[in-house]
Amino acid sequence: AQTVTQSQPEMSVQEAETVTLSCTYDTSESNYYLFWYKQPPSRQMILVIRQEAYKQQNATENRFSVNFQKAAKSFSLKISDSQLGDTAMYFCAFMKSRDDKIIFGKGTRLHILP
Amino acid sequence: DAGVTQSPTHLIKTRGQQVTLRCSPKSGHDTVSWYQQALGQGPQFIFQYYEEEERQRGNFPDRFSGHQFPNYSSELNVNALLLGDSALYLCASSLGWVEAGAEQYFGPGTRLTVT
Repeated sequence: AQTVTQSQPEMSVQEAETVTLSCTYDTSESNYYLFWYKQPPSRQMILVIRQEAYKQQNATENRFSVNFQKAAKSFSLKISDSQLGDTAMYFCAFMKSRDDKIIFGKGTRLHILP
Repeated sequence: DAGVTQSPTHLIKTRGQQVTLRCSPKSGHDTVSWYQQALGQGPQFIFQYYEEEERQRGNFPDRFSGHQFPNYSSELNVNALLLGDSALYLCASSLGWVEAGAEQYFGPGTRLTVT
């Protein structure tokens, strides 16, 4: 069975700083997808970034980038120039190829301080 | 364009009762997935509907059932409610399957409290 582990329950950083959220996963699959989702307080969950395991290049979306280490089964999210609006719960998630069951980690609560 | 909408927003039920939650997908989306998010946890996949059929199912008992209508809206039914069913129930819709590259859009959720 696949598992997703986020070892940082909560983090706080100052506005404009860079922060990295950790995620490790366990799978015997060779092809899969990894995601980071953001759930702001009392607002809807949105997709931040998506990575296909067969792609060696790390995904990037504006200030958000990932460090995907397939051999280590690690998938961290880096947020550059953090903004107050980045305050949210962040979930790392895994999905097998040919399977739409997304498995979420327990989340990291991120506070951006003014 | 309205995104994914869910009703009701909040619901309080008693153990043993039955509940129906509703979801309207984002315009143009044909696939609906349901998740259960217990307090302090990540969402857990319940099932997915596509073309009015249950396409995939997570590890949830048969007390959890669903339906998708021809207009792609969906319902989640839970029978014989247990205290442990208290959670935020999220609906997500997509045009096609996530494995094919579709992005899931989530609704605001229905907060179910079982007393």
